[in-house]
Amino acid sequence: DAGITQSPRHKVTETGTPVTLRCHQTENHRYMYWYRQDPGHGLRLIHYSYGVKDTDKGEVSDGYSVSRSKTEDFLLTLESATSSQTSVYFCAIRNRADYGYTFGSGTRLTVV
Amino acid sequence: GNSVTQMEGPVTLSEEAFLTINCTYTATGYPSLFWYVQYPGEGLQLLLKATKADDKGSNKGFEATYRKETTSFHLEKGSVQVSDSAVYFCAPNYQGGSEKLVFGKGTKLTVNP
Repeated sequence: DAGITQSPRHKVTETGTPVTLRCHQTENHRYMYWYRQDPGHGLRLIHYSYGVKDTDKGEVSDGYSVSRSKTEDFLLTLESATSSQTSVYFCAIRNRADYGYTFGSGTRLTVV
Repeated sequence: GNSVTQMEGPVTLSEEAFLTINCTYTATGYPSLFWYVQYPGEGLQLLLKATKADDKGSNKGFEATYRKETTSFHLEKGSVQVSDSAVYFCAPNYQGGSEKLVFGKGTKLTVNP
């Protein structure tokens, strides 16, 4: 168990409000990722991080920002939430041993 | 760019039927290959993996063989159970640079009793 937790598990927010999702890991993994999962689209990478203060964009980064001020926390922020950002968000870490991923349990976000 | 093509679903089978879910990837270098499974309401979890050509990954009765010549990593199970109902994702890891997993779109499997 990579000790990865996401918070909150569920959130409902209004259009135009800022939202921050948190991913926390306890095993000092260097690489962390944020994905969104939507019907018909599978998993799409939003942003990822390869170290403290080192982040890069994924394929669907518009409308999202991230921060990683310490190894254990990777934050995803929706600056001004829109209905198109209603989704399930998953955080993942990359395992050192085999380069596979371990995923968090997900955050279900609804923008109304 | 790097990509993976996964058999489209949904797939519906009866219990004890044979399962194959096809997966092919673009041959950039020598990626490690993974299958992930997502049970309803949960996150993805690793099902099996293979790290070099001709390796066979196996877990919970599922198998997949790394076929470099056909750039494929098809998932198989000889006798599915109702509890295998889930979404299955194929994912090659193209190492180097950003080292990101590229996920297929997922194949939803429903097994009926």
